[in-house]
Amino acid sequence: AQKVTQAQTEISVVEKEDVTLDCVYETRDTTYYLFWYKQPPSGELVFLIRRNSFDEQNEISGRYSWNFQKSTSSFNFTITASQVVDSAVYFCALSVRYGGATNKLIFGTGTLLAVQP
Amino acid sequence: SQTIHQWPATLVQPVGSPLSLECTVEGTSNPNLYWYRQAAGRGLQLLFYSVGIGQISSEVPQNLSASRPQDRQFILSSKKLLLSDSGFYLCAWSGRTLLSYEQYFGPGTRLTVT
Repeated sequence: AQKVTQAQTEISVVEKEDVTLDCVYETRDTTYYLFWYKQPPSGELVFLIRRNSFDEQNEISGRYSWNFQKSTSSFNFTITASQVVDSAVYFCALSVRYGGATNKLIFGTGTLLAVQP
Repeated sequence: SQTIHQWPATLVQPVGSPLSLECTVEGTSNPNLYWYRQAAGRGLQLLFYSVGIGQISSEVPQNLSASRPQDRQFILSSKKLLLSDSGFYLCAWSGRTLLSYEQYFGPGTRLTVT
């Protein structure tokens, strides 16, 4: 089965705290891609990162970092020194081959992050 | 650079009325196009996808339909809306390379059926 699980429904932190959003995935494919999206209150989904199944190197972009571990099928997202502007729903997604000519994104149910000032 | 537009931004429609939501993409050719619905519970549900003009694949049987009359235009329609059609509708596009290309989303249309 192809599945993405974000067990944390809601997280509340105080500004400047570090926070980690968990993502666990299931797939039979050996080649796949993982993504994180941010959905601020305005509603638009904003692409944050893509990681392919052959690249387990962690990535850092400013205050954001991602930890991909194939052994545990996890792709966790950490925000360092959180800010109020980080408040949003964050989705983890898995890309699988679908229909021969396209890919399908399987989304987790999202984690609502509330950063309090 | 590529941009994706959706309109209208918000819509309030009575039950039984028709629906037409439009999505257009600029700055790319031959994109894959997608319609998603996000209900109040936050989950994103893929409704339709298209790999080319006139080519529509449906994920979920329902009273909605989609059409792609032009390469960069994707339309979501209904002849008669149901209360359960309320939600946030997102259009997305991706490149044609299998698997690797992330999907980029439009600003969405918030539909309320009364």
